[in-house]
Amino acid sequence: ETGVTQSPTHLIKTRGQQVTLRCSSQSGHNTVSWYQQALGQGPQFIFQYYREEENGRGNFPPRFSGLQFPNYSSELNVNALELDDSALYLCASSLSGGGYGYTFGSGTRLTVV
Amino acid sequence: QQQVKQSPQSLIVQKGGISIINCAYENTAFDYFPWYQQFPGKGPALLIAIRPDVSEKKEGRFTISFNKSAKQFSLHIMDSQPGDSATYFCAASMSGNYGQNFVFGPGTRLSVLP
Repeated sequence: ETGVTQSPTHLIKTRGQQVTLRCSSQSGHNTVSWYQQALGQGPQFIFQYYREEENGRGNFPPRFSGLQFPNYSSELNVNALELDDSALYLCASSLSGGGYGYTFGSGTRLTVV
Repeated sequence: QQQVKQSPQSLIVQKGGISIINCAYENTAFDYFPWYQQFPGKGPALLIAIRPDVSEKKEGRFTISFNKSAKQFSLHIMDSQPGDSATYFCAASMSGNYGQNFVFGPGTRLSVLP
């Protein structure tokens, strides 16, 4: 059984650019959630995907968007990057949408300069 | 009302001591309360979780105490070890709310001295 894999592990972007982060869910999991974790803070819910559709969203602007593919992998896209977008982006997969049995990946560290 | 408060922000404990981290919530619709452990460079890993129909749950050296009336819950780490040094997050969620997922506390950085 494989865990959650995220790529890349680190990324540096310039303000105003766009970025795509990728996540492969744990085998057998059909739901993917994305979280933003700023330095020294707890993770904050961005959105969740279930059956290739957005299934809930936190307090993040529309420039944060995502996709889920038929194999349950997922992408997080952020447009018009701002300095405050610098954070660790975590992907979590689960079998149901209720959050039980969450498995987090190690995250992608995004730095916006 | 969606906020989960957590204290202390940091904690230093001697090896063999007891580490205690406290959390409080406002939303009475929350019905699942997990604790996550996070090491540097890693994602959070589920440590132990509790539902409000029980007041205590123990797994090895880790115990959750839950006070529904006070809307508070805490993590106790008995016989703390240097390997327990990590950041701990409490969280809360509502069952059946498939889109909401977890609300996390701000974290407690635990250092266990050898």
